[in-house]
Amino acid sequence: DTGVSQDPRHKITKRGQNVTFRCDPISEHNRLYWYRQTLGQGPEFLTYFQNEAQLEKSRLLSDRFSAERPKGSFSTLEIQRTEQGDSAMYLCASSLRPDPNTEAFFGQGTRLTVV
Amino acid sequence: TQLLEQSPQFLSIQEGENLTVYCNSSSVFSSLQWYRQEPGEGPVLLVTVVTGGEVKKLKRLTFQFGDARKDSSLHITAAQPGDTGLYLCAGASNTGKLIFGQGTTLQVKP
Repeated sequence: DTGVSQDPRHKITKRGQNVTFRCDPISEHNRLYWYRQTLGQGPEFLTYFQNEAQLEKSRLLSDRFSAERPKGSFSTLEIQRTEQGDSAMYLCASSLRPDPNTEAFFGQGTRLTVV
Repeated sequence: TQLLEQSPQFLSIQEGENLTVYCNSSSVFSSLQWYRQEPGEGPVLLVTVVTGGEVKKLKRLTFQFGDARKDSSLHITAAQPGDTGLYLCAGASNTGKLIFGQGTTLQVKP
């Protein structure tokens, strides 16, 4: 296992288009998190899954955003009708256990640019 | 709302100098984690501190967790150009969700 994998690494899209990102967590990691990071800032929490159940969503996750983890393995994050303000790095992380002392491993992120 | 204030936001120093980065919050966290992030990559965990007053060392890096578990510091001794990067502190809730500070961009010039 080579760690958390995200695809694509970069995405340029026109305003108004829909985009979908994929995250493959480390095998057997039950927890999967999505974060968003804008330039020069720390990551902001978007949502997380315990297996296939989505347990919490940030208010940053507007109704244009949807995340799924259908079989409790990989996850997708879709943004509909993209806006320029959606331009950011979207990071996925996974952890083995749902406690605060368990390390979360981050993927390399998907950088989205909306033009 | 839990917030983490990190300072300074930007630091440019010469090789060999020492530096300290601070991370402060009005909230108590179950643990506090420090990450380092290279451009275009995801954050990589450096250390997790759990107990109030805890001090952990990682080679030239020293991490301290405040007694009340609301603040933390990262001290780097004799900084090297390879230390250049974005340093992030993050408070972990009991669900494992991370609340990040704004980050400190460190530039170490040779």
